[in-house]
Amino acid sequence: SQQGEEDPQALSIQEGENATMNCSYKTSINNLQWYRQNSGRGLVHLILIRSNEREKHSGRLRVTLDTSKKSSSLLITASRAADTASYFCASQGGSEKLVFGKGTKLTVNP
Amino acid sequence: EPEVTQTPSHQVTQMGQEVILRCVPISNHLYFYWYRQILGQKVEFLVSFYNNEISEKSEIFDDQFSVERPDGSNFTLKIRSTKLEDSAMYFCASSHGGRTSYGYTFGSGTRLTVV
Repeated sequence: SQQGEEDPQALSIQEGENATMNCSYKTSINNLQWYRQNSGRGLVHLILIRSNEREKHSGRLRVTLDTSKKSSSLLITASRAADTASYFCASQGGSEKLVFGKGTKLTVNP
Repeated sequence: EPEVTQTPSHQVTQMGQEVILRCVPISNHLYFYWYRQILGQKVEFLVSFYNNEISEKSEIFDDQFSVERPDGSNFTLKIRSTKLEDSAMYFCASSHGGRTSYGYTFGSGTRLTVV
């Protein structure tokens, strides 16, 4: 079955630095999505990249997808304290369900 | 911006009791979902719902669980006889499309505590 796994599990950086989180999955996908979750809150959709896309940008977010390696990365540039949250990748294959990874807990220190 | 609304935000229930978690999806969305997140663990898919019927469900979604769209706006998850291991955050989500192209909009969740 598909399985998204992020690394690192936790990342602590200074404001202004870039944050890179990686995700791997196991089977073929239709798309891969990244979500953000503030502590104890809901999941917020950040960006979706289709299997035929290699890179996508949205504001300070940059997502890459390498289907040959079954991996994706999320880059947040010029991080801010408000970016502190957990970030999850979720893969979607031939069915409707999303398969989430365990997440990366990002802390941006002011 | 349209939101998915979930109520209650927190529910405490006795083991063996029935609970109903409620959700109001985004009005023009066609697909509805329930996911859950046990504390410290991954977000797990429970069930998807389209055209007034279940379109997919996971192994977790056994006979104790049911979903319903009783009217044009609400989408509910019922757990008939709660167990301690049902304690989790339950998220409702909706989407404009099913398998492709669209991200999901999640609600803020209902924290269910079974005691």
